[in-house]
Formats: sequence, structure tokens, C-alpha cells
Amino acid sequence: DSGVTQTPKHLITATGQRVTLRCSPRSGDLSVYWYQQSLDQGLQFLIQYYNGEERAKGNILERFSAQQFPDLHSELNLSSLELGDSALYFCASSSRTGTGYTGELFFGEGSRLTVL
Amino acid sequence: TQLLEQSPQFLSIQEGENLTVYCNSSSVFSSLQWYRQEPGEGPVLLVTVVTGGEVKKLKRLTFQFGDARKDSSLHITAAQPGDTGLYLCAGLTGFQKLVFGTGTRLLVSP
Repeated sequence: DSGVTQTPKHLITATGQRVTLRCSPRSGDLSVYWYQQSLDQGLQFLIQYYNGEERAKGNILERFSAQQFPDLHSELNLSSLELGDSALYFCASSSRTGTGYTGELFFGEGSRLTVL
Repeated sequence: TQLLEQSPQFLSIQEGENLTVYCNSSSVFSSLQWYRQEPGEGPVLLVTVVTGGEVKKLKRLTFQFGDARKDSSLHITAAQPGDTGLYLCAGLTGFQKLVFGTGTRLLVSP
């Protein structure tokens, strides 16, 4: 158990709909990362938050948005869903950035989104 | 754009065989991690290497960071079915950006 909690584990919805994925980081971790993993592909970085502020942006579509709340949990909002958005969405957390940070991430079990 | 290329992409072996997975880049990384991901689960951190030439051992797994900190290898001795999964390397750049490799999918058959 990594200590990172993601809900829901599975989600089936239709094209054009909007969904929200939720992530609770490990206790004490300030950074939250979101990744997308399509079938048989590696991890695509979407976005990172640190203590409520957006820190880095990857290949995140304009239809997607995220935020990190004061209690440090994060939500990833996916709207106007398309078939190609079907994927596993992972949240990861880390304890720090800056000097001494060596990049370790702790991943949740993921949310599997199926768009029909 | 920093890229981490892993080879091979797929590896199917019999239990008891040895194997090596490579993670290569033209970029220098301040540290490098290896993760293993099993089907339906999130990646799990196996090891972090930070010093050029560093070798770390985790039971039957041996990890090495290249002298120039541009590449790494993962060697598994006497592979077991429980080693089956997707192996991902990830490098931390000088700009604190984490770059994931393309992944190596390993299948170990009994």
C-alpha cells in the first residue's frame, strides 16, 4: 500500500460527458502528480501541483483541468470526453521538491476510465 | 526534449533465466529510479540511484547507473514468475523534471 488513494477505481461513461477523478496523497506529501497511461503505453505526464499551486504542466489537453485543495487532495476533471480518453489515470505524490529531492514518486492504484 | 529509451520493449523468458533491461538517454540525470508495475496496479518504486557508476542490489535485482549518469541497467538473476510486469525507468533532470522511460514488458513463464 503506497498510501495514495484514488477514487473511483473504475468509471464507465459516454462520449461528451464530464468526470472527476479524486486523489488523496500520502500523509505529509505536498506534491501531487497526474499521469495518463493508455493501453500498452508508458506514463504520460499531465500536471503537477505543489501545496496547492500548479508547478508543472505536461501533455494535458485543454478539456482537462486539475486542482489541489487546501487539505492537499487533488481532483482531475475530464470534460467533453472522447473515445481516445479511455485510459488508466494515475495520481502520485512525493514529499518534497528542491535541494535533496531525488525524484521518488508513490503511485495510487489508478482510476480506469472507459468512454463508450 | 529529454527521452529515456528502454530496451527491449518486450521480453518473454522461462523461469530461471537471467535478463538485462537497458535505459538510455543522451541527457544527464541527477538521479534515476526504477519502478515495476503489475497489471491493474500503479507503479511501485524499486530503487533510486544518484551517483555515476553506482550499483545497488535488491535480492535478485541489480541496478547500475552509468558513469556519465545518462543510462542505467537492471539485471535480474534467475527470474521468477513473480517478476512479471512492466519495468519503467525514470530520470530526474537538473530542472527537477521527472522523465519516464518507454517501458519494458517482462513475462516470466513457469
